[in-house]
Amino acid sequence: DAGITQSPRHKVTETGTPVTLRCHQTENHRYMYWYRQDPGHGLRLIHYSYGVKDTDKGEVSDGYSVSRSKTEDFLLTLESATSSQTSVYFCAIRDGTGGDLGGYTFGSGTRLTVV
Amino acid sequence: AQSVSQHNHHVILSEAASLELGCNYSYGGTVNLFWYVQYPGQHLQLLLKYFSGDPLVKGIKGFEAEFIKSKFSFNLRKPSVQWSDTAEYFCAVNSLSGGGADGLTFGKGTHLIIQP
Repeated sequence: DAGITQSPRHKVTETGTPVTLRCHQTENHRYMYWYRQDPGHGLRLIHYSYGVKDTDKGEVSDGYSVSRSKTEDFLLTLESATSSQTSVYFCAIRDGTGGDLGGYTFGSGTRLTVV
Repeated sequence: AQSVSQHNHHVILSEAASLELGCNYSYGGTVNLFWYVQYPGQHLQLLLKYFSGDPLVKGIKGFEAEFIKSKFSFNLRKPSVQWSDTAEYFCAVNSLSGGGADGLTFGKGTHLIIQP
């Protein structure tokens, strides 16, 4: 296990409120990712990070922001939650560094419901 | 942009049947290829991956996959399935154009049900 912890595991929030999801890793991996999983869509990349303060957008980044102020923490923020952001959110890390990149390991997920 | 297509959204098999799940991708450059499994209510677990070398890759739980570059395919196989293989299966691709850092592109998944 790559030591990935997501918090919270479940959250219900109201439309229009800000929400922050946390991904914490214990093994100093450089690359971290946020995905959302929706029925019929598989997993889609929201944002990713390739180092402290280095982030980039993924396929479905609208309505989301991220921050990575420390290697071990990658935060996903919904500035103003909408019902379309009801989903299961997975954090992932990529093993390895440089030319020796390995596979991707996923956290246990956060189930977010926006009512 | 790269894309991944999984041919079957739902597959129902009986125990001991052979399994093949299709996966095609659209990217023309060098790629890393993955199959993940997701059991009900759980996170994704890596079944197998292909980076280079022998195009026939063996993974955990008796699964294997074959990379056919000319067909842009990476099909998953298992000679004899078990009830415990009931799960969602995802094919995923990572292109190496961005140094490999820019994440996986997933297919939409195949829901596999094994009947006892």
